[in-house]
Amino acid sequence: GAGVSQSPSNKVTEKGKDVELRCDPISGHTALYWYRQSLGQGLEFLIYFQGNSAPDKSGLPSDRFSAERTGGSVSTLTIQRTQQEDSAVYLCASSGRRKSAYNEQFFGPGTRLTVL
Amino acid sequence: LAKTTQPISMDSYEGQEVNITCSHNNIATNDYITWYQQFPSQGPRFIIQGYKTKVTNEVASLFIPADRKSSTLSLPRVSLSDTAVYYCLVGAGTALIFGKGTTLSVSS
Repeated sequence: GAGVSQSPSNKVTEKGKDVELRCDPISGHTALYWYRQSLGQGLEFLIYFQGNSAPDKSGLPSDRFSAERTGGSVSTLTIQRTQQEDSAVYLCASSGRRKSAYNEQFFGPGTRLTVL
Repeated sequence: LAKTTQPISMDSYEGQEVNITCSHNNIATNDYITWYQQFPSQGPRFIIQGYKTKVTNEVASLFIPADRKSSTLSLPRVSLSDTAVYYCLVGAGTALIFGKGTTLSVSS
């Protein structure tokens, strides 16, 4: 079946502009995660959505970052007034319900954001 | 969330067994141990998960001692295609913390 998809695959923007990154999770998955990965670094957790619960926004680095998930499916990560340090690969993952305590996360291919 | 410590890098040759150890001294009772693999320009991919003792699948084995303060990912007979970054994560549900992982380089 279809995996997690993200768009665009690459985004180049100018400092100060706003950008929107989109994530389409696997159909039926209730949890959705956003991560950021800078060059040569590990993944940095940004935000987590689980069903209709309030999202866990504890990883968002500043108030310029926000995310929403509409209808429990598609999610959009918005970065306002982009800065050069926002340049990174933004990864989205989703997971479904399982009997085990931990739900395997399925990752999308990522969006490479470059802020000039 | 329990913090994990693993080597930054490891080198191996094709056909050898590779063992990557992860320390997680503050693991909680309900935490699982999960390993992911990431190739360049791709998102991480789930490899294996365990709670205690030993777990084996078609890709790897995971060894967890009784105190659960560490775990070892074992990759049998690695090939060039196993060159990747390997992440050890500890937690139960919700979002997990990915560290910098272990970069495994396999040479011929």
